[in-house]
Amino acid sequence: EAGVAQSPRYKIIEKRQSVAFWCNPISGHATLYWYQQILGQGPKLLIQFQNNGVVDDSQLPKDRFSAERLKGVDSTLKIQPAKLEDSAVYLCASSLQITSGSNEQFFGPGTRLTVL
Amino acid sequence: KQEVTQIPAALSVPEGENLVLNCSFTDSAIYNLQWFRQDPGKGLTSLLLIQSSQREQTSGRLNASLDKSSGRSTLYIAASQPGDSATYLCAVIGGKLIFGQGTELSVKP
Repeated sequence: EAGVAQSPRYKIIEKRQSVAFWCNPISGHATLYWYQQILGQGPKLLIQFQNNGVVDDSQLPKDRFSAERLKGVDSTLKIQPAKLEDSAVYLCASSLQITSGSNEQFFGPGTRLTVL
Repeated sequence: KQEVTQIPAALSVPEGENLVLNCSFTDSAIYNLQWFRQDPGKGLTSLLLIQSSQREQTSGRLNASLDKSSGRSTLYIAASQPGDSATYLCAVIGGKLIFGQGTELSVKP
């Protein structure tokens, strides 16, 4: 079974530029998550989708971050414009469904963003 | 608000030692608790998931316990090896995954 795919793996941009990340979850997984992991910290949930609907985006900085999952499969996360403090690893995860008993999440390799 | 704390932040042990990593959480109303491993520059690999009705899970040299009433979980690693060197993260699942900050483990040959 293929895992969660993310691209690109690395990205370096200058502040005020825009950047987009892509995630393809495990086939059949209804729930998709985007996390931000700043160096030395645990991942922080940015947004959670159930199929193509947003379940939780309470910690997404909506003035500069946006995410979509139009067809309920793959997803993109965009930052526009980027700030220095956005430098982090952006992790995508998926799970079968939000109401499942285990709700075990499977993570992709992440995209390491450096903002100069 | 759920808060997850991991102690110690970093740990260095000689190869072959048994060790325990600690995780505490403030709200016992959780569904499950999950332990992950993260290698430098990589994503998260799930190690063990303990459902709220369980008290422990074992996989190879790893054993994770869960005590909901006291808000604690431990990850026990037996006979540590240099390949175990990584950051270990615990996360509680109560609707969403809330992570601790991780314990960076170094196993010296």
